[in-house]
Amino acid sequence: RKEVEQDPGPFNVPEGATVAFNCTYSNSASQSFFWYRQDCRKEPKLLMSVYSSGNEDGRFTAQLNRASQYISLLIRDSKLSDSATYLCVVAPSGSARQLTFGSGTQLTVLP
Amino acid sequence: NAGVTQTPKFQVLKTGQSMTLQCAQDMNHNSMYWYRQDPGMGLRLIYYSASEGTTDKGEVPNGYNVSRLNKREFSLRLESAAPSQTSVYFCASSEALVGAGYEQYFGPGTRLTVT
Repeated sequence: RKEVEQDPGPFNVPEGATVAFNCTYSNSASQSFFWYRQDCRKEPKLLMSVYSSGNEDGRFTAQLNRASQYISLLIRDSKLSDSATYLCVVAPSGSARQLTFGSGTQLTVLP
Repeated sequence: NAGVTQTPKFQVLKTGQSMTLQCAQDMNHNSMYWYRQDPGMGLRLIYYSASEGTTDKGEVPNGYNVSRLNKREFSLRLESAAPSQTSVYFCASSEALVGAGYEQYFGPGTRLTVT
């Protein structure tokens, strides 16, 4: 089983739709969680950190479920500019060596 | 504010050649990282430097060496390139080790092809 698993998609949704991605992780010692977005042939860019209580940034909401070992990303009112690959990142406390990126979920928002 | 810069952007090597990928950050970050990204796979950590003067292996260190030249610069060297090292290489930095909750910022990447 991969340490971090994401549904690769692609997810094709119309503008204005709500879409959700999940990311499951296997290391129960994981302490830090992030969502990054990556545009085609570009570097990953931080979208948001994921906090235990869940957090929201505009149209984006991130949730952490430690019991079931997954994090989620919800995008409301999708825009064409949201088309990208979304990467989840999981890291246990204090060790960069075990930092693990998911393979990414591809999202295309259609006009 | 340039953030994280990488040179070169593109490189083609023949098998057995050597080269150094350069990375610099101007955010006064302590920790720096080198990743490779292959199609269909997540980013994989090659080496990292928790702070100036220290380096440590990541998930896939074989065939690579690194140097933390100073707080700003972290270079990655391929001593004898192999086709399996064809990939996109990203450098990243963070204020402190990402495992402590600090966010990483990435450079634009180097696209390396080994023939």
